[in-house]
Amino acid sequence: GQNIDQPTEMTATEGAIVQINCTYQTSGFNGLFWYQQHAGEAPTFLSYNVLDGLEEKGRFSSFLSRSKGYSYLLLKELQMKDSASYLCAVLDSNYQLIWGAGTKLIIKP
Amino acid sequence: ETGVTQTPRHLVMGMTNKKSLKCEQHLGHNAMYWYKQSAKKPLELMFVYSLEERVENNSVPSRFSPECPNSSHLFLHLHTLQPEDSALYLCASSQGPEGNTEAFFGQGTRLTVV
Repeated sequence: GQNIDQPTEMTATEGAIVQINCTYQTSGFNGLFWYQQHAGEAPTFLSYNVLDGLEEKGRFSSFLSRSKGYSYLLLKELQMKDSASYLCAVLDSNYQLIWGAGTKLIIKP
Repeated sequence: ETGVTQTPRHLVMGMTNKKSLKCEQHLGHNAMYWYKQSAKKPLELMFVYSLEERVENNSVPSRFSPECPNSSHLFLHLHTLQPEDSALYLCASSQGPEGNTEAFFGQGTRLTVV
């Protein structure tokens, strides 16, 4: 079966760095997405990786290793507004998005 | 106008009621989606429409009936639902149904079936 694994919940301190991991087992691979979802709001797009390596976008970076079936989202200089759920999703060989259950990130002052 | 708008934001309905969820996108996208989001579970894709034609139906019970009258509007008609259907229903749109482009989501309809 197809599976996306990410931690259920993480806690970090304001101003610090946090890494949210995502491992996947899917039938084929056509890219990996990260979305942010604040409580009661719509998921919003953060990043898309299809090639190995690190993609940096301001305070957020996303890394992909296709051979390991692994990605992480790195958040630097954490702010209170970064408290949200972070969703990992993989596009399989049929171009169907397979979603993880999301990681709830709690930022403490 | 925001990108993807869903109404209503909240809905409480009895198991014998009939209601409809509405989604509208102003982004010129060709594909629209219905997702179900339950607490602590992955997003479940329910329906995909591309250019107003349904291209995917992930074995959703017939008590959920989608309608896509044009590329900007998507409805989800609900009837004789069960309490386990209570969830957040999200609409999304993207340039095409291939999925390798960013999806824009509405804020969802929080549905409670009593």
